[in-house]
Amino acid sequence: DAGVTQSPTHLIKTRGQHVTLRCSPISGHKSVSWYQQVLGQGPQFIFQYYEKEERGRGNFPDRFSARQFPNYSSELNVNALLLGDSALYLCASTQDILAPGDTQYFGPGTRLTVL
Amino acid sequence: AQSVSQHNHHVILSEAASLELGCNYSYGGTVNLFWYVQYPGQHLQLLLKYFSGDPLVKGIKGFEAEFIKSKFSFNLRKPSVQWSDTAEYFCAVIPNNAGNMLTFGGGTRLMVKP
Repeated sequence: DAGVTQSPTHLIKTRGQHVTLRCSPISGHKSVSWYQQVLGQGPQFIFQYYEKEERGRGNFPDRFSARQFPNYSSELNVNALLLGDSALYLCASTQDILAPGDTQYFGPGTRLTVL
Repeated sequence: AQSVSQHNHHVILSEAASLELGCNYSYGGTVNLFWYVQYPGQHLQLLLKYFSGDPLVKGIKGFEAEFIKSKFSFNLRKPSVQWSDTAEYFCAVIPNNAGNMLTFGGGTRLMVKP
């Protein structure tokens, strides 16, 4: 079975541009979460989606947005990129509703560099 | 602010040495606790988790962690490390009112010398 997949693997953008990152959860998983991992730090929660609805939002500006599609895949969008948005963006999928007991499975991440 | 602290940023051990990585959190209520590991070039993966019951939790690859509520701690241990344990280790917490939004510590980079 395929794990969580993310695309692209690497991305280079310039300040002010927009970026879209994509995530496909494990087959049968209905919940997707996004995390930002700045170099040398632990991942920080950005969003969680379940059944196409936003179920949680971390402390990130409105430049960050996301959505989940009927096939449970998800996109993370970041507008007006800043240098500080350079990070590894991780997607995690969970089988079902927001129970802490559900293990979150992480993808390999998308490395975003903003110049 | 509520947070998760990992005191050791870098740890270097020789094979067969014992390991203990510290993790403290600042949430006052009920919490769910996790340790994740990221091996070089690989995804974050779950080592072990604690929700309730026995405060000593056993995970994969010989790792265990002990929840001490009075100390707000969830330290990770392994009696004898191997070179293959070289990785970055992250402690994470979900407060009981936070769905399954993980709050991670800053990570500890472990290097095991052969």
